[in-house]
Amino acid sequence: EAGVVQSPRYKIIEKKQPVAFWCNPISGHNTLYWYRQNLGQGPELLIRYENEEAVDDSQLPKDRFSAERLKGVDSTLKIQPAELGDSAVYLCASSLGRGGQFFGPGTRLTVL
Amino acid sequence: RKEVEQDPGPFNVPEGATVAFNCTYSNSASQSFFWYRQDCRKEPKLLMSVYSSGNEDGRFTAQLNRASQYISLLIRDSKLSDSATYLCVVKGVDTGRRALTFGSGTRLQVQP
Repeated sequence: EAGVVQSPRYKIIEKKQPVAFWCNPISGHNTLYWYRQNLGQGPELLIRYENEEAVDDSQLPKDRFSAERLKGVDSTLKIQPAELGDSAVYLCASSLGRGGQFFGPGTRLTVL
Repeated sequence: RKEVEQDPGPFNVPEGATVAFNCTYSNSASQSFFWYRQDCRKEPKLLMSVYSSGNEDGRFTAQLNRASQYISLLIRDSKLSDSATYLCVVKGVDTGRRALTFGSGTRLQVQP
């Protein structure tokens, strides 16, 4: 069974540039999560989708971050404009209902 | 106080040793608990769920103490391949706000 797919795996941009990350969850998983993980820290939830509805976006910095999951399957997370402090690993995860989450390999973002 | 607290370690143990990690959580309404394992520069992977009655999976035993609000992970007969960071995850009520919280992780280094 294919796992969570994310792209790109690595991204290097200059500050103030836009960037987008893509995630395709495990087939059939209705819940999708975007996390940000800084070095030496655990993942921090940015947004959680139940199907196409964002049910928890309280930690998403809405001035520069946006996300969508239009058809309830794959999802895109965007940052515009990026700041130096946005450098981190962006992880996507999916789950079936309230079960354990399965993570993708992440996108390692470096903002110069 | 952090919602989920873990001793960052590192725990340096010899092969064959038994090692235990604890994790404390602040929200008494938390409903689900998990342990994840994360290898260096890799995504977190679900190790095991933690049930109220305690559960065991091979060399790994997880326990939950709701009264004291902590969960534990015991690893018996440590292997070199157990070297990783172990993340405690606490899931609250699904009201949408901060439903999922990761600890910062405890690093384990098993030495030959």
